[in-house]
Amino acid sequence: LAKTTQPISMDSYEGQEVNITCSHNNIATNDYITWYQQFPSQGPRFIIQGYKTKVTNEVASLFIPADRKSSTLSLPRVSLSDTAVYYCLVGEDNTDKLIFGTGTRLQVFP
Amino acid sequence: GAGVSQSPSNKVTEKGKDVELRCDPISGHTALYWYRQRLGQGLEFLIYFQGNSAPDKSGLPSDRFSAERTGESVSTLTIQRTQQEDSAVYLCASRGVGNRVRGYTFGSGTRLTVV
Repeated sequence: LAKTTQPISMDSYEGQEVNITCSHNNIATNDYITWYQQFPSQGPRFIIQGYKTKVTNEVASLFIPADRKSSTLSLPRVSLSDTAVYYCLVGEDNTDKLIFGTGTRLQVFP
Repeated sequence: GAGVSQSPSNKVTEKGKDVELRCDPISGHTALYWYRQRLGQGLEFLIYFQGNSAPDKSGLPSDRFSAERTGESVSTLTIQRTQQEDSAVYLCASRGVGNRVRGYTFGSGTRLTVV
């Protein structure tokens, strides 16, 4: 699976938009970009996946430029409950196992 | 059940003792995974089951670690002669046939502390 690089931590305040960028310079043609979210004392859970351009769901948006060497997870109007670790994963959609990096620890303040 | 269930949720054991960690996957999920997460770290892949066979054991850190699975049901991760560096949260995930990368459902983990 392609190696990813993301910031170790980010701070934000309630109501702000948060953008977390992930670099994946060695992404392959068949690779998808997937983000997982992990709350304290819980296992990770899937939040969004994309291949190119923009994907939006009820939780977040994912922006992917044309060269696909990076991607940005956008969380609109964060709340305290968005405090979590966010993992960027890159690999084929039919891969048999997920390889997690260290993720980005987002802390939302009141 | 509705989710992936792991037991115990917390385990404190003395160095040198054996421990067994249990995972009940979502009913019907054929794939089952074990990960280890040390404090403040990302998830470290341990082993993957497809049904009751384990095509990928590449992440098991030593021969003190073993895992088995009964059919497409319960899995047990066993750590023999525990060491302090084994202290971590052990997470189990299951996945159905479709929805590969997005289809993982994780349990809440077993927090193992070796004293």
